[in-house]
Amino acid sequence: DQQVKQNSPSLSVQEGRISILNCDYTNSMFDYFLWYKKYPAEGPTFLISISSIKDKNEDGRFTVFLNKSAKHLSLHIVPSQPGDSAVYFCAASPLYGNKLVFGAGTILRVKS
Amino acid sequence: DVKVTQSSRYLVKRTGEKVFLECVQDMDHENMFWYRQDPGLGLRLIYFSYDVKMKEKGDIPEGYSVSREKKERFSLILESASTNQTSMYLCASSFAGDTYNEQFFGPGTRLTVL
Repeated sequence: DQQVKQNSPSLSVQEGRISILNCDYTNSMFDYFLWYKKYPAEGPTFLISISSIKDKNEDGRFTVFLNKSAKHLSLHIVPSQPGDSAVYFCAASPLYGNKLVFGAGTILRVKS
Repeated sequence: DVKVTQSSRYLVKRTGEKVFLECVQDMDHENMFWYRQDPGLGLRLIYFSYDVKMKEKGDIPEGYSVSREKKERFSLILESASTNQTSMYLCASSFAGDTYNEQFFGPGTRLTVL
């Protein structure tokens, strides 16, 4: 049973527009949420995170929104750039936990 | 910069062979992890180690074992490789603590079992 779900396998966006990647989770014990970005032939790299006590966290072009009641988070990238083309993984961790549970990933393609 | 290195980028093995995947981190992290990444399944945790000689099963430990004899090194062992173990294997490390600490990943090993 997947506890973290990314229902869109892929997303295609025009350069300069907004990219919105979505993630749903089922485990109410998750307390910390992260997005990782992965280029082909490289390991995932941390992008942005949010604690369950917040509903928004922003870092430059990247913003993560958390809706705890809906058990839903989203990553907004604006404006999107061709270099943002990668696989994006949503991940979650429980309070006092050191482990992550990952979603299946969404392939983002930003067209120039 | 944190560095996590994996011994091979690409590996081809035959069914039944014993396979060793090595991971080394240089940041004195207590925690080390082995994941496999498969299309449509994301990253799934195989094993986790929170200290030297300590290990904990992840979500998919069957067919794998691990060894952590030194703090900086975490090995994944496939005792008898099978074709369904063809995958991308990713090692990660992090500091331990009461709250979540960022995991840093190596570049991955693409293993093909023929």
